[in-house]
Amino acid sequence: DTAVSQTPKYLVTQMGNDKSIKCEQNLGHDTMYWYKQDSKKFLKIMFSYNNKELIINETVPNRFSPKSPDKAHLNLHINSLELGDSAVYFCASSLLGRSWDGYTFGSGTRLTVV
Amino acid sequence: QQQVKQSPQSLIVQKGGISIINCAYENTAFDYFPWYQQFPGKGPALLIAIRPDVSEKKEGRFTISFNKSAKQFSLHIMDSQPGDSATYFCAAILTGGGNKLTFGTGTQLKVEL
Repeated sequence: DTAVSQTPKYLVTQMGNDKSIKCEQNLGHDTMYWYKQDSKKFLKIMFSYNNKELIINETVPNRFSPKSPDKAHLNLHINSLELGDSAVYFCASSLLGRSWDGYTFGSGTRLTVV
Repeated sequence: QQQVKQSPQSLIVQKGGISIINCAYENTAFDYFPWYQQFPGKGPALLIAIRPDVSEKKEGRFTISFNKSAKQFSLHIMDSQPGDSATYFCAAILTGGGNKLTFGTGTQLKVEL
């Protein structure tokens, strides 16, 4: 009974392609996030949605477009993929304003651009 | 600008020993400080967390020490076990900033038999 599930787990694609990653949570959380983990394992926030509303949008190329159809789902669409987009992308969820509960992360999507 | 600095980058400890990871932060508006544990191929998982008005928190073999005046905090793993081998991240949260979680750079811990 996975709490935060991402699909696909692995994604290999050529430069210039467009791809999407999907995320779903069944924890009843109202806030969802996308984090990027680079080759040095550094984790950095990209976006955050609260009840379908974008609340955090870090300095991310506009080739990346998140979309939240409802508070249990958050997708990430990437246009014109570049070599530098290769990373592990993590979806996470939490309850806004309840820092002490922490985040719940998915298992990640390893994106390789060739 | 790295708002949360973490050291060491890697750590090797003998089984039964104490593992110590240190972090420092700059933004005094951070209001919660969690530690995450990540195994290969998995997402980070919350290990233990502390508020800035508490100097120490212990959960089992894991203890956070917090020094608000120095803007530093550390994770101590007592009686380290091979199963503790993982990457550990300190982090800081701005609850008022959309629960934004800012991570340290990570420490790869290996516990040897």
